[in-house]
Amino acid sequence: AQSVTQPDIHITVSEGASLELRCNYSYGATPYLFWYVQSPGQGLQLLLKYFSGDTLVQGIKGFEAEFKRSQSSFNLRKPSVHWSDAAEYFCAVGFMEYGNKLVFGAGTILRVKS
Amino acid sequence: DAGVTQSPTHLIKTRGQHVTLRCSPISGHKSVSWYQQVLGQGPQFIFQYYEKEERGRGNFPDRFSARQFPNYSSELNVNALLLGDSALYLCASRVAPTGDEQFFGPGTRLTVL
Repeated sequence: AQSVTQPDIHITVSEGASLELRCNYSYGATPYLFWYVQSPGQGLQLLLKYFSGDTLVQGIKGFEAEFKRSQSSFNLRKPSVHWSDAAEYFCAVGFMEYGNKLVFGAGTILRVKS
Repeated sequence: DAGVTQSPTHLIKTRGQHVTLRCSPISGHKSVSWYQQVLGQGPQFIFQYYEKEERGRGNFPDRFSARQFPNYSSELNVNALLLGDSALYLCASRVAPTGDEQFFGPGTRLTVL
């Protein structure tokens, strides 16, 4: 079965420090890959996506992610975190042959300390 | 342009009752998907509809049903509510059934007492 693992439930970083959120998936082929952000009480906002091509993907708000096929990973990075980045981050994988659904990880809550 | 809209914002029901949640997609989007997000977890896929036909179904009981209307809006219905149905229900729309990103609405918070 398809699965998405975000091994870190909580991460705390200092403002201005770099950030990396981990995501691993289990699937036989290359799926579509996404990172979403959710602020408390809000819906999901797409940060970036990977469908094919260049494995380093740039997104909004200064985020980037790198797809590594050999590791089945799609880690999210940001070189300098701002206090406004505090939120919950979800990695998601899209599977066309399973009703075009997205399978989400359990999420990583990011806390930013000043 | 308006994004995906959902109504109501919040809802409180008691066990055994029925609930209907509504979603209006972005103009021009013909595909709508529903997700359930239980507190502390990631969203789980319930249904996808495209051009009024069901295109995908997640691992949810038959108490959950949905439909899409000619204007591409959608309803999610849940019968015989259980305490475990308490969650944030998210609707997402996209232009086509595959191959592009989904845009999520703010969700409906359902509490079952």
